[in-house]
Amino acid sequence: TQLLEQSPQFLSIQEGENLTVYCNSSSVFSSLQWYRQEPGEGPVLLVTVVTGGEVKKLKRLTFQFGDARKDSSLHITAAQPGDTGLYLCAVFYGNKLVFGAGTILRVKS
Amino acid sequence: NAGVTQTPKFRILKIGQSMTLQCAQDMNHNYMYWYRQDPGMGLKLIYYSVGAGITDKGEVPNGYNVSRSTTEDFPLRLELAAPSQTSVYFCASTSSGNTQYFGPGTRLTVL
Repeated sequence: TQLLEQSPQFLSIQEGENLTVYCNSSSVFSSLQWYRQEPGEGPVLLVTVVTGGEVKKLKRLTFQFGDARKDSSLHITAAQPGDTGLYLCAVFYGNKLVFGAGTILRVKS
Repeated sequence: NAGVTQTPKFRILKIGQSMTLQCAQDMNHNYMYWYRQDPGMGLKLIYYSVGAGITDKGEVPNGYNVSRSTTEDFPLRLELAAPSQTSVYFCASTSSGNTQYFGPGTRLTVL
């Protein structure tokens, strides 16, 4: 059983559409991170959320940490082709950063 | 700052060969990690280190070895390459629970 379950696994949408991807767990975490990975590159940190119910915005991206700190969502408004990539959520588990399997997002122009 | 560097970028190995994937960081980070990523998947932790001289196993350590003789370097060794080790390998570093910085990856194929 994965510590972090991400859904959907794959999402293909048209430019301009909105979307939400999810990261769920049965465990409680002190913080949660979202990374984006573009093809051929390593993951890059987008945001860290630390407080239950916290909402953070990064331009057209909105991140929310669940009230119980067990889950998180990433909402993208008016998606653009440049948003294409693999979106990964991750949590620190002791000294280790554990990743979900990711959501592959493809935005078509 | 170069950040996290990895060499080589690409490598093809025959079954049973050995090789070392190099990783170096110039940010004076104590924590370093090795991950593997299979196509379209997330990252699985192979080994990690919390400081020079200290290493520990991650989720998928079998078939790999690491050493951490300096703060800067964290090489990953494959002793007897197998087709199941075909993957993209990422090295990362962090300063205690903050942002992980990833290298550009090494794409390894074992035939």
